[in-house]
Amino acid sequence: DAGITQSPRHKVTETGTPVTLRCHQTENHRYMYWYRQDPGHGLRLIHYSYGVKDTDKGEVSDGYSVSRSKTEDFLLTLESATSSQTSVYFCAISEFRTDSNEQFFGPGTRLTVL
Amino acid sequence: GQQVMQIPQYQHVQEGEDFTTYCNSSTTLSNIQWYKQRPGGHPVFLIQLVKSGEVKKQKRLTFQFGEAKKNSSLHITATQTTDVGTYFCAGLNTNAGKSTFGDGTTLTVKP
Repeated sequence: DAGITQSPRHKVTETGTPVTLRCHQTENHRYMYWYRQDPGHGLRLIHYSYGVKDTDKGEVSDGYSVSRSKTEDFLLTLESATSSQTSVYFCAISEFRTDSNEQFFGPGTRLTVL
Repeated sequence: GQQVMQIPQYQHVQEGEDFTTYCNSSTTLSNIQWYKQRPGGHPVFLIQLVKSGEVKKQKRLTFQFGEAKKNSSLHITATQTTDVGTYFCAGLNTNAGKSTFGDGTTLTVKP
């Protein structure tokens, strides 16, 4: 497996509290992604990064922000968590090319917002 | 935006039966990737198809990319209990700079 870790692996929090999830890679891949996975919805892209301090929105970005100050770290922040953000969050990395986007996924973070 | 539809959502088979999942994109793709996610696990890359009409095989798994590069399929011959999991396709649109995942097909295999 690619060197990609996520922390924490599990978190329970209350509505209205801020939450930050961390993704760390040792592969020096340029692209990093945050997805959420919910039953019946597959993997939905929240935000992604194509370099240090270069980020863009995905299809479900409302209520989330990201930061990437170093190649190896990509942070996902829920400024004020809501119950609808209860989900499993996956980070992924890739070396994006014009005809290739093989992604390596982290183990996931299970977030519960009460 | 780009949409990737995957069918069926669920498939239950008897061990030894064949299985096929289909993926259709609303736009022409640069390539398509397939991933497998075991229950409780994370998605793992299986294969990538790039060329129009491409067919690739991995043991009992056969992957096809349509001539128009808008659809793809994954076929498993003689399923085994180890094939259990959710299979995702992901279509790459180079202009968009990212891949779009289908909702996945969850396969269960009855011994």
